[in-house]
Amino acid sequence: QVKLVESGGGVVQPGGSLRLSCAASGFTFSSYGIHWVRQAPGKGLEWVAFIRYDGSNKYYADSVKGRFTISRDNSRSTLYLQVNSLKPEDTAVYYCGKGVASSAVEYWGQGTQVTVSS
Amino acid sequence: QTVVTQEPSFSVSPGGTVTLTCGLSSGSVSTTYYPSWYQQTPGQAPRTLIYTTNTRSSGVPDRFSGSILGNKAALTITGAQADDESDYYCALYMGSGLWVFGGGTKLTVL
Repeated sequence: QVKLVESGGGVVQPGGSLRLSCAASGFTFSSYGIHWVRQAPGKGLEWVAFIRYDGSNKYYADSVKGRFTISRDNSRSTLYLQVNSLKPEDTAVYYCGKGVASSAVEYWGQGTQVTVSS
Repeated sequence: QTVVTQEPSFSVSPGGTVTLTCGLSSGSVSTTYYPSWYQQTPGQAPRTLIYTTNTRSSGVPDRFSGSILGNKAALTITGAQADDESDYYCALYMGSGLWVFGGGTKLTVL
């Protein structure tokens, strides 16, 4: 079955950096685009970034453009999100999600918590 | 900046039918926005219900259906059950690789 496992979250000071990972299994990772979606405490879902199946195109929400970088290693079936220049408003659970067709997310991981605080 | 709109809250009686909607602050939702719907209970990851307007995700019962109603995307739940009480989010594809989620609808079954 499809499984997505995020890791790499933690507590970081404003201006700091983290690299989030999403390990995938149960499907042909190199054939699907993958999303990052986040959810701040008590808030709704916010789309963050998307990378096409082959890494050829990457897309970002305006709120993270220039600070976050999405990438993938198809040989390791792993997705990454490098998050730099972190702000308190980046505090959230970060989910990775397998894309489907031209739509959004079909399967979700359990998420990794990122807390930005001094 | 276009905002994706959802009802903040809704209630339905057990066994009843409810339709949640997903609109745009400016313009109409069509199939070209590839609307999708997600269910989330507190402390859990979201679960995909519907994608590409009306395709049910694997394992989703046919009590859940998606459509376009007027100028909005819609999620209809028939025969509501107690465990349908959740937050429901829609997402729309805005073009140029960008997706936007709505603010979510809190559904109460009572």
